[in-house]
Amino acid sequence: DTEVTQTPKHLVMGMTNKKSLKCEQHMGHRAMYWYKQKAKKPPELMFVYSYEKLSINESVPSRFSPECPNSSLLNLHLHALQPEDSALYLCASSPKESNNSPLHFGNGTRLTVT
Amino acid sequence: GENVEQHPSTLSVQEGDSAVIKCTYSDSASNYFPWYKQELGKRPQLIIDIRSNVGEKKDQRIAVTLNKTAKHFSLHITETQPEDSAVYFCAASNSGGSNYKLTFGKGTLLTVNP
Repeated sequence: DTEVTQTPKHLVMGMTNKKSLKCEQHMGHRAMYWYKQKAKKPPELMFVYSYEKLSINESVPSRFSPECPNSSLLNLHLHALQPEDSALYLCASSPKESNNSPLHFGNGTRLTVT
Repeated sequence: GENVEQHPSTLSVQEGDSAVIKCTYSDSASNYFPWYKQELGKRPQLIIDIRSNVGEKKDQRIAVTLNKTAKHFSLHITETQPEDSAVYFCAASNSGGSNYKLTFGKGTLLTVNP
């Protein structure tokens, strides 16, 4: 019943693979986010898009490449990942980047890198 | 940058008792303080938030208090039920400027025993 939809739910990939995570929202939100969450830890911010432009990159390695094709979609392209990149990847959206807008999280993609 | 400390890391209560989780923050410019609940294997969900112009906010069995002078805020859950069992994250943000970053506490695992 989440309003932010992420696909796939689970992904297993090798270190040489290229894959993409997808996120979609139809609430008219203009800010979208990628978070990484390891077990028993809080979500860690990776990227923020505001009005389809990248506004924050939290020094994320280049093997993670975000893309925002339009205001409803957010992708995360993965290439040459390491086993330590295995985590739950959460997409979120909010009405605006600032103005203290609550985040709406998707259910996440559980990524395993072998 | 902002630093959010959250205590306790684990909390076990009997059904019907109250539970209190406390957070402190470092950046006096922070002005938005949401609380998220994350059940095992699920996404974080906003349960309540408070802005810096308010000292207390209630929503049924949940309340949040904010002391700006002391830079701490707390979550209070009354009449706890087993379905309240989850990890709770506090967070703080400053919407000043063009960037919006939510800093999370490390989380509190709440267990409500029937």
